[in-house]
Amino acid sequence: AQSVTQLDSHVSVSEGTPVLLRCNYSSSYSPSLFWYVQHPNKGLQLLLKYTSAATLVKGINGFEAEFKKSETSFHLTKPSAHMSDAAEYFCVVSGTGRRALTFGSGTRLQVQP
Amino acid sequence: DVKVTQSSRYLVKRTGEKVFLECVQDMDHENMFWYRQDPGLGLRLIYFSYDVKMKEKGDIPEGYSVSREKKERFSLILESASTNQTSMYLCASSTTRQGLEAFFGQGTRLTVV
Repeated sequence: AQSVTQLDSHVSVSEGTPVLLRCNYSSSYSPSLFWYVQHPNKGLQLLLKYTSAATLVKGINGFEAEFKKSETSFHLTKPSAHMSDAAEYFCVVSGTGRRALTFGSGTRLQVQP
Repeated sequence: DVKVTQSSRYLVKRTGEKVFLECVQDMDHENMFWYRQDPGLGLRLIYFSYDVKMKEKGDIPEGYSVSREKKERFSLILESASTNQTSMYLCASSTTRQGLEAFFGQGTRLTVV
């Protein structure tokens, strides 16, 4: 079985300050891990993915995430928030034997001017 | 670019109606999925299909059925719509060759009155 826990349902930061969105996963297999972003009234867009290569993964729009197997974490970070980063972010896991992705409950990021 | 197209952005249906949600993808992906998205719950898997005429139940299949007669098309059917099926419905497709990264449609917001 696999599951994902996003530790914060809402995160608020000021423009120009760092962003940290936390995610812990559980998987019986070596997982693939993803972060998706959903802007208001838009579809889901892939930010980045980890598939057992480098543990530090760089994505679009300056986001990156680090896979830490010992902590079963895959936190998403960005050095400096921009107003356009305001959206909902989903941490997602997939594993061998199940083709479908398992989603976390989402973290809504607010960026204050 | 991969394109996943859902037939409607908004639907309003009456309780007890039979409802069809249609999804088409243009990338020859073998896997297709239906999720529903509700605030605070993330995306929950309803059904998925890994080949034509093949389907598997997801986490919340009750009250739904699916049909996949052609590789590019995956339909979600609400046999008798109820108000608790008011939600955002998202279709996605993926291929194992791309590490199961899923591509999403824009979503159908269904309201059952």
